[in-house]
Formats: sequence, C-alpha cells, structure tokens
Amino acid sequence: SQKIEQNSEALNIQEGKTATLTCNYTNYSPAYLQWYRQDPGRGPVFLLLIRENEKEKRKERLKVTFDTTLKQSLFHITASQPADSATYLCALMTGGGNKLTFGTGTQLKVEL
Amino acid sequence: EAGVVQSSRYKIIEKKQPVAFWCNPISGHNTLYWYRQNLGQGPELLIRYENEEAVDDSQLPKDRFSAERLKGVDSTLKIQPAELGDSAVYLCASSFITGGETQYFGPGTRLLVL
Repeated sequence: SQKIEQNSEALNIQEGKTATLTCNYTNYSPAYLQWYRQDPGRGPVFLLLIRENEKEKRKERLKVTFDTTLKQSLFHITASQPADSATYLCALMTGGGNKLTFGTGTQLKVEL
Repeated sequence: EAGVVQSSRYKIIEKKQPVAFWCNPISGHNTLYWYRQNLGQGPELLIRYENEEAVDDSQLPKDRFSAERLKGVDSTLKIQPAELGDSAVYLCASSFITGGETQYFGPGTRLLVL
C-alpha cells in the first residue's frame, strides 16, 4: 500500500540548532515533493518544492534533500528560532501532476 | 493580494443537520481544491475543480457530500446529513493551473458535529 511517513512525535530542539525532519514514502513515484508549514488554526503554507531529478534545494535557512532511491526527503532548518515552531508537512505530487498527497506532519518546537 | 477566503472559522451543528462551506479562491486561480483534515493528520483531497468542472471527485463521499463551482470562481461544499465522523477541518486551496506547483490554502473551517 502507499504510505507517506513523517515522525509523529514532536521534535524539540534548542534555538540556534539545526532541525532535521524526515519524510519517507513507499509505493509512490512522485514527480516532485513539497514541504509546507502549518500553524495552529491556519492552513498550510508552501515552503519549498524539489523535483525528482534534483538532489537538494535551498531557500534562506531552509534546505531540502530528495533521494528517490531511498524514497526519502529530509527538511533542514538551520539556526532555528522559536518562530520556526510549527507543524511541517511533506506532500508528494503524483497522478501525472494532478494530485498532492500529504504526510501526517511533524510538530517542531524550538526552545529558548 | 487577498488570499483564499473561507466563510466561518468554526461551525457547530447537530448530527443529521446540513452544513455548507464557502470558498473564494485567489483571483485568477482556475483550480480549486477542497481538503479535509482530521486531527493529527495531513489534509486529504475531497474534490478538485478546473474552472467549473470537477475533474477529481474520487475521494468525495457522494452519498452525503456535494460541491459546486458554478461560475468557475467561488465554490460551496455541502454535507447533508452530517455525521459525527465528519468533524474535521475543511480546507479550501487554489492554484493557478492544475499541477500548479504551489497550492494556496485558506484558513479552514473547523466543523464540530454533536
């Protein structure tokens, strides 16, 4: 069966450290993968997209890697800040580019 | 630029009652999505519109759920009758084109069915 797995346990890190979140998937062949941020009571907000032929993508303090052999994406936030505390969702674009399927999300808490 | 607008942040209804959700996408976005998000889960697609045509409604429980986007702009999602298990957040999103690389989400409407 198809699965997108993200750590269900919250990730707690200290301010200034690098947060690394994992997204693993099975039985998908995504055209690309996206990461979204969701704050409580709000809709998801797009952060980064990485295509199947790309290994790494960066945007400011954010970095995403994509390994289609391992079927895994890693999402890094460097120099983390309390304002980075949120739930982070990975999403795979499948179905010929027509359907976005989300993981369950991982809650990140950055402590002072 | 205004974002995706959804009516009501919260709705509380009794089971077996009808409920409707309204969404106005970002101007110029021809693709509109309705998602349902259960607590602790990611959003799950219910229906996708390209303009006024529903091009993917395979996940919509058609016995009680219906949706429309008559003029290809705003959209309404309806549940009739609501069941306890329908309690969730209903999110609307839009994108410029289908497979558009970025979907823009509204704030969602939290539905509680008692």
